Amino acid sequence: DAKTTQPPSMDCAEGRAANLPCNHSTISGNEYVYWYRQIHSQGPQYIIHGLKNNETNEMASLIITEDRKSSTLILPHATLRDTAVYYCIASSYGNKLVFGAGTILRVKS
Amino acid sequence: SAVISQKPSRDICQRGTSLTIQCQVDSQVTMMFWYRQQPGQSLTLIATANQGSEATYESGFVIDKFPISRPNLTFSTLTVSNMSPEDSSIYLCSVEIPSQGGEQYFGPGTRLTVT
Repeated sequence: DAKTTQPPSMDCAEGRAANLPCNHSTISGNEYVYWYRQIHSQGPQYIIHGLKNNETNEMASLIITEDRKSSTLILPHATLRDTAVYYCIASSYGNKLVFGAGTILRVKS
Repeated sequence: SAVISQKPSRDICQRGTSLTIQCQVDSQVTMMFWYRQQPGQSLTLIATANQGSEATYESGFVIDKFPISRPNLTFSTLTVSNMSPEDSSIYLCSVEIPSQGGEQYFGPGTRLTVT
């Protein structure tokens, strides 16, 4: 699996968009970009994934650069409940997930 | 998605004993995974448990220490054997739903403290 790099922490004001970057410069052609988050003391929660096209669901948007070497997870209107550790993972279908340290997102009022 | 439950939710055990953690899924799934999350750390995959085959363990984890059963498509157990304080962690199971894009869904975890 390709290694991903994320900033250790970020702050965001409540109600504003949270943009979480991820670098995956060694991603291979069959690897997807997955985003998960872990709210304190809970199991990780799946957010979104994509291969090369931008994706949007009810939780977030995923923007993948054309060369697929980086991506950004966007939470359009962050709330206090979005405070969590966010993990960006590059993996192919049916393959294991390798969790890095992730980004601690703190949403502040 | 899938709804996953784990038992027990937490336990305090004495060193040298063993604990079996159960993972139950509300639908039939082929691929199940067991992870460990040590205090303040990220998740580390212990093993992949596919129904009908032996579990595949990651480097640093062995079957004698973490035996896994996968008797059917909705259930799995992980045993933490001969426990030491270093085994104090949160243990999580997850399942992959291939028809929904390969994403994994996680159980709430089992918080284990070894004294």
